[in-house]
Amino acid sequence: QVQLQESGPGLVKPSQTLSLTCTVSGGSISSGNYYWSWIRQHPGKGLEWIGYIYYSGSTYYNPSLRGLVTISLDPSKNQFSLKLTSVTAADTAVYYCARVDRDVSRALDCWGQGTLVTVSS
Amino acid sequence: EVVLTQSPATLSLSPGERATLSCRASQSVSYYLAWYQQKPGQAPRLLIYDASNRATGIPARFSGSGSGTDFTLTISSLEPDDFAVYYCQQRSNWLTFGGGTKVEI
Repeated sequence: QVQLQESGPGLVKPSQTLSLTCTVSGGSISSGNYYWSWIRQHPGKGLEWIGYIYYSGSTYYNPSLRGLVTISLDPSKNQFSLKLTSVTAADTAVYYCARVDRDVSRALDCWGQGTLVTVSS
Repeated sequence: EVVLTQSPATLSLSPGERATLSCRASQSVSYYLAWYQQKPGQAPRLLIYDASNRATGIPARFSGSGSGTDFTLTISSLEPDDFAVYYCQQRSNWLTFGGGTKVEI
């Protein structure tokens, strides 16, 4: 059973860089069957896709965040990471990592529990 | 960007009743639509993919239909565990989500 777990600072200062890591257990991120994704949810609001990465390193980002976001892979640790630069209070949200099944459902079929990141001085 | 509009925002029903949730896309997304359930403090859970296919382990009381711009999620007989927020999501043009429908008692 694949499990995903987010980790990283819960508090980030405005204008700084938000950095989160997702550790995948029970499966390999080097599998070609999945895209590895980040999604966020502002407090009390809906869901926003941030982007995803394929095992080859190819990345796909939400156009509204392009230029601010970088997603990367570390196969040696079975992890993938998110960096969001120049954050503001509007980036306060619960951040989820999730897996997109590339071959069958082509949907977000496995999610981490989420981690709250607050942007505040 | 494909905008997904879900209605109603809130649906007040009782256990045993039928729930019908709507998701409308601003342009055709073919059948590339999924539905998720989210309970307070939890991550979303995939229910339906490609408009009408139940994900692994999802009970048969959940069904999806539609194509193009109009989609429906139906819960045939609400169980107490089904009271939650439901989101639709399209993958035709990047990924976007609807604003959600809360199913409450």
